Amino acid sequence: DAGITQSPRHKVTETGTPVTLRCHQTENHRYMYWYRQDPGHGLRLIHYSYGVKDTDKGEVSDGYSVSRSKTEDFLLTLESATSSQTSVYFCAISAPGAGARDGYTFGSGTRLTVV
Amino acid sequence: GENVEQHPSTLSVQEGDSAVIKCTYSDSASNYFPWYKQELGKGPQLIIDIRSNVGEKKDQRIAVTLNKTAKHFSLHITETQPEDSAVYFCAASISNFGNEKLTFGTGTRLTIIP
Repeated sequence: DAGITQSPRHKVTETGTPVTLRCHQTENHRYMYWYRQDPGHGLRLIHYSYGVKDTDKGEVSDGYSVSRSKTEDFLLTLESATSSQTSVYFCAISAPGAGARDGYTFGSGTRLTVV
Repeated sequence: GENVEQHPSTLSVQEGDSAVIKCTYSDSASNYFPWYKQELGKGPQLIIDIRSNVGEKKDQRIAVTLNKTAKHFSLHITETQPEDSAVYFCAASISNFGNEKLTFGTGTRLTIIP
């Protein structure tokens, strides 16, 4: 999606290893979010950020940490990957409403497999 | 916290017919209700949204209705076309100057039968 990129797009990692996913935006939006998408659960919020170095937990934050040292980058780290963290991870950005189509813009996702 | 339930989980309709997807929410303080469309291999994309000071909103073939008293909202797609086939998600939040913290439903897979 324009203005927001996630890397890597696909990753396979072993149980117990640390993994970092990156979200990069060029929109200068204040708010950034990490969600995970699993069958039967929809999208669930992991962590979010409301500014540089300002982050907070979502509903499924256990086992994850985040960092935001620059407006444009929001990193998600799995401290010690487990099979239950196999999922598709989406980053999203938002800004104060400026029109009829405000709200989230999502990245294209990172498919993470923990073996 | 907020809980959003979405029905049905799968929906098949003939091309040209209408499709309706329904969601209920639990937190009466929620005031922002977007709908997202997700195509295979892509991230969700906002297609329409409604705020709690409005009962209905339309955008061409898509409409959303909101019943605050019953705490439910619905997506209506008329004159369905093959390109409408996708997974649709509803969501709810207490909108706070762009920090939406959306809670999503579990999704509806819509299939349009040619």
